[in-house]
Amino acid sequence: EAQVTQNPRYLITVTGKKLTVTCSQNMNHEYMSWYRQDPGLGLRQIYYSMNVEVTDKGDVPEGYKVSRKEKRNFPLILESPSPNQTSLYFCASTPSDRAGEGYTFGSGTRLTVV
Amino acid sequence: AQSVTQLGSHVSVSEGALVLLRCNYSSSVPPYLFWYVQYPNQGLQLLLKYTSAATLVKGINGFEAEFKKSETSFHLTKPSAHMSDAAEYFCAVRTGGTSYGKLTFGQGTILTVHP
Repeated sequence: EAQVTQNPRYLITVTGKKLTVTCSQNMNHEYMSWYRQDPGLGLRQIYYSMNVEVTDKGDVPEGYKVSRKEKRNFPLILESPSPNQTSLYFCASTPSDRAGEGYTFGSGTRLTVV
Repeated sequence: AQSVTQLGSHVSVSEGALVLLRCNYSSSVPPYLFWYVQYPNQGLQLLLKYTSAATLVKGINGFEAEFKKSETSFHLTKPSAHMSDAAEYFCAVRTGGTSYGKLTFGQGTILTVHP
């Protein structure tokens, strides 16, 4: 089944404790992206990647890191999480930069930082 | 730059009534437009998309949307609401070129359906 898989689904952590949210897709998509969803703000892009070793900042990149060492994986790293990073996170992928293509989304990771 | 505005953060309808969720976009180049639905505790599922082939687009679950360039709108409709349509709906715009295919979302509209 074609899908984007995120882990974990739920995570509670403490301020300052480094964490990684994994994302993997099995569709051989070139483009991958991370979004955070907050009430009343919709989804905002954190980082995106156009291919292996090619990443760039989205609209809200502060406090996050990413890497793209393999085409299928695009982990999101929070080096020192803070409470304002409490949110619902989505990983997404799309075949290319052709704008008519939609994105496939993972099931989400609900992160709570205390 | 591209942006999306969804009018109304909450919409409430009775079962069997018309559903109308409003979306206006801003884009300096021809846009591609999408509606996604999010059911509670789930990810986003694509409802339909406009890619310039036809202005009236039909999607899954009986939803459709009409692209109106003169009004910069892409409103989502369904003739008769069902209880299972209760969810949050997101309008999104995507353009190519230097934006690297970024998908920009509106703020979302929560649809409530009353018996």
